[in-house]
Amino acid sequence: AQKVTQAQTEISVVEKEDVTLDCVYETRDTTYYLFWYKQPPSGELVFLIRRNSFDEQNEISGRYSWNFQKSTSSFNFTITASQVVDSAVYFCALSEGYNQGGKLIFGQGTELSVKP
Amino acid sequence: DAGITQSPRYKITETGRQVTLMCHQTWSHSYMFWYRQDLGHGLRLIYYSAAADITDKGEVPDGYVVSRSKTENFPLTLESATRSQTSVYFCASRSGTAMIGQFFGPGTRLTVL
Repeated sequence: AQKVTQAQTEISVVEKEDVTLDCVYETRDTTYYLFWYKQPPSGELVFLIRRNSFDEQNEISGRYSWNFQKSTSSFNFTITASQVVDSAVYFCALSEGYNQGGKLIFGQGTELSVKP
Repeated sequence: DAGITQSPRYKITETGRQVTLMCHQTWSHSYMFWYRQDLGHGLRLIYYSAAADITDKGEVPDGYVVSRSKTENFPLTLESATRSQTSVYFCASRSGTAMIGQFFGPGTRLTVL
């Protein structure tokens, strides 16, 4: 069965520290997609990145970077030089293949608190 | 307004009442989804729809009913609300390919007393 695990429930760091949010997934599909969403205190869900199962290249976007490793079924998210505005709940999600309608399976979320 | 909207944004109701949460998207996306968010569970899929008049159950469908007579609307009805349905409900939509991912509405916070 498909499953996404975010083992870190809460993380607290001081501003400018680097922080990595872990995501481990399980799927039997050979074609799948992985996502990260941010949910700030205002409550909306903000899309950050998607990755398909055939693309294991790491990606960097400003202070954000993602490390996708199929060998360990992980899709970790690193924030470099964290800022107070990064405080939010972060969700990792797995999209089942085309036959399943692309439904998203979410992890439980990691609440990141960045203190000044 | 372009995008995906939900109404109401906040709702308080009583046990046993019927409640309908509305979701409207302007992109003509074929797929639409309803999730609920509860502490410790992340977001869980309630129902989804692949097109008008095509709906299917998700992980937690009990106590909910959906319909989709028009592509742009996907209402979620709680036929007889229970306290366990107190939650934040998110509607989402996406186009025909899973690669693009889903776009989420702002959420509806529902409290059942």
